Amino acid sequence: EVQVLESGGGLVQPGGSLRLSCAASGFRFSYYAMSWVRQVPGKGLEWVSSISGSGGSKYYADSVKGRFTISRDNSKNTLYLQMSSLRAEDTAVYYCAKEIAAAYYFDYWGQGTLVTVSS
Amino acid sequence: QSVLTQPPSVSGAPGQRVTISCTGSSSNIGAGYDVHWYQQLPGTAPKLLIYGNINRPSGVPDRFSGSKSGTSASLAITGLQAEDEADYYCQSYDSSLTVVFGGGTKLTVL
Repeated sequence: EVQVLESGGGLVQPGGSLRLSCAASGFRFSYYAMSWVRQVPGKGLEWVSSISGSGGSKYYADSVKGRFTISRDNSKNTLYLQMSSLRAEDTAVYYCAKEIAAAYYFDYWGQGTLVTVSS
Repeated sequence: QSVLTQPPSVSGAPGQRVTISCTGSSSNIGAGYDVHWYQQLPGTAPKLLIYGNINRPSGVPDRFSGSKSGTSASLAITGLQAEDEADYYCQSYDSSLTVVFGGGTKLTVL
């Protein structure tokens, strides 16, 4: 059974940093691209970043480019999102999602982890 | 402002048919990229509902169907049930190398 489980969310001050993790199981992790998608409570979905199976290709939304870094450790079946220079508008639930890269869609999602940026 | 445009809300009575539209542009849906749909039940994570414009993952009832034409796509739900009350999102890919979502549509079952 495919499972993805996010962790690392919490309360952080504006300008601060936070690292999210996503532990994956039930599939050949290194074969699949992975992504982060966020959702402000009560609002819509926003794609944040994607990384190829090998980790060699990375893509970012303009809203986080230069501040967030996506990475993965295929030996640990884990995806990461390093977030820095956090702003109030980064407050959201962050979802980890397994991506079908050839077709650009997400077939499995985690339950999400809440990041709150506030002083 | 979402790249893909969806109506904020739709509603229907049990047993009826509803459709949700998703309008993009020549750089995403119109460029030939597929449209995918997700269902988000209250308080839960999104779930893949339709992929590749028309395909249903295993376990999704055939009451749900998708279509695409030009720069738009649609999700149709027939035989509406109370459990279908949720938020629905369309998603595609853009020539700017970004994944794009619609703003979401809240379905209310009357």
